[in-house]
Amino acid sequence: KAGVTQTPRYLIKTRGQQVTLSCSPISGHRSVSWYQQTPGQGLQFLFEYFSETQRNKGNFPGRFSGRQFSNSRSEMNVSTLELGDSALYLCASSWASGLDQPQHFGDGTRLSIL
Amino acid sequence: GEDVEQSLFLSVREGDSSVINCTYTDSSSTYLYWYKQEPGAGLQLLTYIFSNMDMKQDQRLTVLLNKKDKHLSLRIADTQTGDSAIYFCAESTNQGGKLIFGQGTELSVKP
Repeated sequence: KAGVTQTPRYLIKTRGQQVTLSCSPISGHRSVSWYQQTPGQGLQFLFEYFSETQRNKGNFPGRFSGRQFSNSRSEMNVSTLELGDSALYLCASSWASGLDQPQHFGDGTRLSIL
Repeated sequence: GEDVEQSLFLSVREGDSSVINCTYTDSSSTYLYWYKQEPGAGLQLLTYIFSNMDMKQDQRLTVLLNKKDKHLSLRIADTQTGDSAIYFCAESTNQGGKLIFGQGTELSVKP
């Protein structure tokens, strides 16, 4: 069974641009969560989607957005990129949204802002 | 509040046991997780424990939970060089899929 797939693995952008990252969950998983990982702030929760609806949102500015499609694949978008957005963006999937659903992570997309 | 604390570094000899510790603050956390991250990779789910359990064993891994002290530990028996990685402790929250992670403990295994 394939794991969580994130594309692309690496991205280089410049300030002011926007970027879209993609995540395909494990087959049958319907919940997708996104995290940002930086050396300074560690792992921080961005948002969670379940059945095409955003269920929870972390403390990030509105430049960070996401969506989920009917096949459970998810995308996140960051507009007006800033240097501080350079990070590893991780996607995780689980069967459903809830406390008892272990999350399985992809290998992430490393975003570098020049 | 939500906070998870871990020590940053641990160095052990190959064949020894490793114990990685974690403390958390949210008493309503019902699940606690251990993840492993190798260089250039994402997070690999190692094991997790429900808060009504004291211990869980899975091959070389033993998780101990002291709910009164909000202390979680991961013991790796017979540590190998391939176990060198960063280990993250995480707690569930009452916000669906949101996990709160510790800063990670870098485990270095010396031959």
